[in-house]
Amino acid sequence: TQLLEQSPQFLSIQEGENLTVYCNSSSVFSSLQWYRQEPGEGPVLLVTVVTGGEVKKLKRLTFQFGDARKDSSLHITAAQPGDTGLYLCAGARAAGNKLTFGGGTRVLVKP
Amino acid sequence: NAGVTQTPKFRILKIGQSMTLQCTQDMNHNYMYWYRQDPGMGLKLIYYSVGAGITDKGEVPNGYNVSRSTTEDFPLRLELAAPSQTSVYFCASKPGQGLNEQFFGPGTRLTVL
Repeated sequence: TQLLEQSPQFLSIQEGENLTVYCNSSSVFSSLQWYRQEPGEGPVLLVTVVTGGEVKKLKRLTFQFGDARKDSSLHITAAQPGDTGLYLCAGARAAGNKLTFGGGTRVLVKP
Repeated sequence: NAGVTQTPKFRILKIGQSMTLQCTQDMNHNYMYWYRQDPGMGLKLIYYSVGAGITDKGEVPNGYNVSRSTTEDFPLRLELAAPSQTSVYFCASKPGQGLNEQFFGPGTRLTVL
């Protein structure tokens, strides 16, 4: 059972375009993290959101946690080839000792 | 700090063989994790540990075993390799309880033929 569904699974865009990745669940999470993974490497944390309705910005990346803490989105403005990678959302419950990962969204930004 | 290191980087096993994937972290983190990632997919938790001497099952523990005799090391053992265990294995660690970032190693790519 995939508790966290990410969409789309794959996204190919031109440099300068905007994109949004979605992470949805029927379950409530106490916090949610977004990671980016490049080929041949492990995931690296981008952001943690903990409050329903929270919005965090990291340069051209905007992260939002849904009011009910069941969903999240990642928006990239004016994408660059360096944004290419696999984006993973991961939810935690209660103490946050374990993460449940979504299936990932593979983003390709073409120059 | 080297962070989280994993060995080997690549390995090919025959069905029924056994092997141990090594994971070491030098950040004095209490929590350590083993995940597997199948092609184009997210990560699934195999086992985790909240400290030396303490381990617990994750989402997909069958066919694997772990031990945690020291804070630094968290090896993953495959006893009877099966083709279904072909995957990329990631080890991760974090300082302690709560919303800390998990730090991942570079992964071990395992193929079982």
